[in-house]
This record gives sequence, C-alpha cells and structure tokens, in this order.
Amino acid sequence: DGGITQSPKYLFRKEGQNVTLSCEQNLNHDAMYWYRQDPGQGLRLIYYSQIVNDFQKGDIAEGYSVSREKKESFPLTVTSAQKNPTAFYLCASQTETSYNEQFFGPGTRLTVL
Amino acid sequence: GQNIDQPTEMTATEGAIVQINCTYQTSGFNGLFWYQQHAGEAPTFLSYNVLDGLEEKGRFSSFLSRSKGYSYLLLKELQMKDSASYLCAVRVLTGGFKTIFGAGTRLFVKA
Repeated sequence: DGGITQSPKYLFRKEGQNVTLSCEQNLNHDAMYWYRQDPGQGLRLIYYSQIVNDFQKGDIAEGYSVSREKKESFPLTVTSAQKNPTAFYLCASQTETSYNEQFFGPGTRLTVL
Repeated sequence: GQNIDQPTEMTATEGAIVQINCTYQTSGFNGLFWYQQHAGEAPTFLSYNVLDGLEEKGRFSSFLSRSKGYSYLLLKELQMKDSASYLCAVRVLTGGFKTIFGAGTRLFVKA
C-alpha cells in the first residue's frame, strides 16, 4: 500500500527538549511539506522540500529544522527555541506538478508540558 | 500578501444543499483545491479547479472565478458524515510551488 506515515500519533515532551517527528512516504513523490495546525485554524507551512538535499522555509520556520537526505523521508525537529510547540503537525507529499493534490499523513499531536 | 477567507462555521440540515464560499488574494495563482478534514484527522482531497467554471464530482461540485478571486464548494444531499471542516487552498508559484490554506469552514449537519 502506498502512502505517508507519521509517527508517533501522540507525543509528549518536557519544555526545553528538542523532539523529532518522522515522516516517510513510498509514493515516489518529489515534494514534501510540513504544516502546523492549531485549534480552529488552517494549516500553516513550516518547511518544504522539492528535491532531495534541498528545502525552503515556509511561513513559520522559526524554532524548527528539517533534513531531506532521502526522497522518502522528511523529518522535522521541533527545537527548544520554538516558543509554542504544542500543536497538530501534518506532513504531506506531492508530485511536482501543479495540478496534483497533496497527500497527507495521519498527523502527530505534540504536547509540550 | 497572500490571503484566503472563508466563513468560520455553517450549519445545514441532512438532505439539503450547502454552499461554502472562499475568496482569495494571492499572487502567482496556479490552482485552487478543496479538502475535507474530520476532527483530529488529516485533510483529504475533494476537488481541484484551475480554469473558470464548475467541476462536478458526485455530490460535490466546485466553482472558480479567477477574475473575482472567488470559489465555492457545493455539497448536495447532505449526510451526517459530511460534518467536518472544509479547507480552501490556493497553489501559488513563487520561486517554487507552495499551497496556502484558508482557516477552514466547520460544517455542522443536523438531522
């Protein structure tokens, strides 16, 4: 089955700790994205990558970091510099043509205590 | 700047028709998407418009007017399972493709 996986579904961390959220896809998509969603709000773009070993900041990149060493993987690290990290994080992938939709993973709900 | 507006909430009755509007002000427009998102779950794709006009897909239709920066999603024969958030998203080409999402419209379907 092709798709996107994110793990874990729920994650709890203490304030001041870095945490890495995983995102893996076997759809052979070139582009991958990380979004953050807060209650009652839409998706805000954190980082995106259109090709291996390259990525760009989105609208709210401060306090986050990413890597894209393999086509299938796009992990997101939430650092201690992120002031309000508790949120629902969604990873998505897409073939790099404009008329194709994004496919989303199931999401990770991060709670920082 | 890039901006997408849609109503925060709507309520409709089972079996009825509902129209969810979306207006956008973006540069580098390259298509408009509608996604459905149930609470706590990932968004799923509903429709895509890049040219003006109506796209119909079963109980769902989506309309686009690029000159007016306007789209709507039409849901017919509403079912209880249609209670969800509906996200309007615009794909833009600004040094690479990006998708900008609206805040979503929460639709409540009542019996």
